[in-house]
Amino acid sequence: DVKVTQSSRYLVKRTGEKVFLECVQDMDHENMFWYRQDPGLGLRLIYFSYDVKMKEKGDIPEGYSVSREKKERFSLILESASTNQTSMYLCASSLFTEVNTEAFFGQGTRLTVV
Amino acid sequence: DQQVKQNSPSLSVQEGRISILNCDYTNSMFDYFLWYKKYPAEGPTFLISISSIKDKNEDGRFTVFLNKSAKHLSLHIVPSQPGDSAVYFCAASSSGNTPLVFGKGTRLSVIA
Repeated sequence: DVKVTQSSRYLVKRTGEKVFLECVQDMDHENMFWYRQDPGLGLRLIYFSYDVKMKEKGDIPEGYSVSREKKERFSLILESASTNQTSMYLCASSLFTEVNTEAFFGQGTRLTVV
Repeated sequence: DQQVKQNSPSLSVQEGRISILNCDYTNSMFDYFLWYKKYPAEGPTFLISISSIKDKNEDGRFTVFLNKSAKHLSLHIVPSQPGDSAVYFCAASSSGNTPLVFGKGTRLSVIA
């Protein structure tokens, strides 16, 4: 059974803190993604990675960075958390393929910045 | 500029009836379309997909229709059940290992 696991379901952090969101997949997928979901805005892509040590900016990368040191792990970093980064964060993974396929999502991390 | 649009934020349907969720897209390079279902406090789960070489794909109670000329797809759920109550996201991608682009979602409520 495919599995994408995010390290925390709920997090509360203070403004200005450095925040790490971790994601691990056990499907040997090359692609990994970070999205955020906000009411009325849907899922928006923050960053993605096609391979170890590779990263590409998505639609809303400002205020975020990522790290992919191992194939199975993709970390999202909020360098200095702000209240407008309060959101549901969703990690996903998929196969690297020219023929499109679905992405598998983790359970999400609800981050609140106070 | 939104490439995938779900213009109905919410939809309410009676149990046993058909639910029809709509999605429009603007990028003519999209050739693969998906529907995801999401419950509160959970990640989205894949429901059904369709390639641009088809105009219909069916899986049990779920059918997706694609109209390429209108750049429109729809998800039909028949019969609707209370457990179908969730937010449904339409997503699209183009060939070449590109990320999925999502719509804003439609909240479906199935009333018993």
